[in-house]
Formats: sequence, C-alpha cells, structure tokens
Amino acid sequence: GDSVTQMEGPVTLSEEAFLTINCTYTATGYPSLFWYVQYPGEGLQLLLKATKADDKGSNKGFEATYRKETTSFHLEKGSVQVSDSAVYFCALKSGGSNYKLTFGKGTLLTVNP
Amino acid sequence: DAGVTQSPTHLIKTRGQQVTLRCSPKSGHDTVSWYQQALGQGPQFIFQYYEEEERQRGNFPDRFSGHQFPNYSSELNVNALLLGDSALYLCASSPPGGGKETQYFGPGTRLLVL
Repeated sequence: GDSVTQMEGPVTLSEEAFLTINCTYTATGYPSLFWYVQYPGEGLQLLLKATKADDKGSNKGFEATYRKETTSFHLEKGSVQVSDSAVYFCALKSGGSNYKLTFGKGTLLTVNP
Repeated sequence: DAGVTQSPTHLIKTRGQQVTLRCSPKSGHDTVSWYQQALGQGPQFIFQYYEEEERQRGNFPDRFSGHQFPNYSSELNVNALLLGDSALYLCASSPPGGGKETQYFGPGTRLLVL
C-alpha cells in the first residue's frame, strides 16, 4: 500500500539557516505529492505540490522536486524565518480509484532568532 | 471567498456518548474527506463523500459514519465513543475533477473523550 516516510524531528535551526526535510514514498502508479504545513492550534495548509516526475513545486521560498527515480520529495528553503516554525507534513495521493491522502508523521521545525 | 469551515471548534464528551461534527466545503467544491489526527501524528483518512455517497473508506470501524447533503456539506458521526477517539478531526474539500485534485483543509474540531 501507499506510505510516506519523513525525517524524524524535531528540527531546530537559527534564523537564515538552510532547511531540508527529507521525504520518501511508496505508491502504486504515479502519485501526486504534497507538502502541508500546520501552525500551532490550526488545521493544515497546502504549502506546495507536484503532480508528475521532475516537477518542482514552490511557494513562499520553499521548494520540492518530484524525483521518481529516488521516490523522494524533499522540502528545502534557503533561509528560514522564525515565522516558519510549524509542523510540516509530506503526503501523497495515488489517484485512480484511490482518493485519499496518505501522510507522513510530520516534522516539527523550530526556528530561533 | 470562505474556506472550509468546521463546527464546533472544541468538544468534550464522555465514553459511550455519540458526537456529530460538521463541515462546509469551500465554494465550488463538491467532495468532502474526513481525517483523524491523533496528537503528534499525521492525519489518517476516515472516508470521502462525493455525490452524497461514501466513495472510499479508510481503516476505521463502523462506529464512524458520515453523510453528505445536497449542498455538499457533510457530517461525521461517531457512536459509542472511546478514550482513543480523542483527536483533531479534519475536514478537507476538493473541487470537481478526475481524482487528483488538491484537498483543502479546515481548521479542525478538537474532540476530547473523558
């Protein structure tokens, strides 16, 4: 079945540091891949997505590239801010007759000033 | 344009009781999915409703049931509550299309079972 593996957290960085959160997946067919962000006490917000191999999703300085050969979708940001502190979830949707999102366990990011 | 809305925001119940959670999708969306997020975990898919029918179900017992109304809003019902049902319940809506559409989430309902 479908599964998503994210790097274990928590991740603590200083402001302006480089961020990478690793995500690998197992899926049938050709899934769409997503990163969602959850701020404290809130629901999930879509951060970025990619729907086919070699697509790059980007938003708010965050980027992730859909790598079919390594089944990965790592999240990166060149310079994090305190306001980026949140939990980040990698997710996939394999499509066809499978309509659900399958999530990783989440990675807590804390950015210190 | 209002996003996905959920009610109530918080709820406290006791074991054995029943609960109903409500969700209104984003304007223009016709599909509603429900997820359970336990503390410190990723969301787990409960089921999805489309055209007032349950289209897909995750690994949840029959105590979890739902409904979708003609205006696309949805309810999640949980019977015979257990302590382990304490979680954040998230509703997500998606627009019409072939199944690869992005799901947009509401703020969630936090349920505590005592």
